[in-house]
Amino acid sequence: GAGVSQSPSNKVTEKGKDVELRCDPISGHTALYWYRQSLGQGLEFLIYFQGNSAPDKSGLPSDRFSAERTGGSVSTLTIQRTQQEDSAVYLCASSLAGGTQYFGPGTRLLVL
Amino acid sequence: AQSVAQPEDQVNVAEGNPLTVKCTYSVSGNPYLFWYVQYPNRGLQFLLKYITGDNLVKGSYGFEAEFNKSQTSFHLKKPSALVSDSALYFCAVRAKALTSGTYKYIFGTGTRLKVLA
Repeated sequence: GAGVSQSPSNKVTEKGKDVELRCDPISGHTALYWYRQSLGQGLEFLIYFQGNSAPDKSGLPSDRFSAERTGGSVSTLTIQRTQQEDSAVYLCASSLAGGTQYFGPGTRLLVL
Repeated sequence: AQSVAQPEDQVNVAEGNPLTVKCTYSVSGNPYLFWYVQYPNRGLQFLLKYITGDNLVKGSYGFEAEFNKSQTSFHLKKPSALVSDSALYFCAVRAKALTSGTYKYIFGTGTRLKVLA
């Protein structure tokens, strides 16, 4: 596609529920990144994929967070048993290997 | 630890005046440096990057940035600010992760630029 797309754009959920956030990277981009941006905060790195493998998962805040990427394309970030502190904008970016990252519009998650 | 610092939470400048948004970094090796802009309710947009070569790099919307190796800085500049430049600006560096050996991107906390008419 023309750019990185993310869905849903907004998600409201109840505490304790699981959520799945989806990222469609730019076609041909081998690298994919997930970040979290809390209100008024900078970007917090979560996880990085090169192809389908994740060489760097160091940013995942807890074992409630997981991510996968299939076919070297679409990625899903899953948050289990959501907590209120998970409320944030989740941003996805893709790039060619080692290249400039291009960001999607983000998914705004609100946990009530 | 490898890091990026944006020392100013907010920068105010009058329209037509020059603007500078500061960024310093601390990484091992030769860094790749980036600036991104985030307009309200929008994703981050790439502005410019430095990889190698000329220390002054030019980017989108009339922005430029100067790489200074001795001061480990990569300040964003524009000769004449516009009200429409008002946004949140992020500096980022690509550095080699010390443990995994893969590359990772480290972002600053962002600087809110407000251009006053």
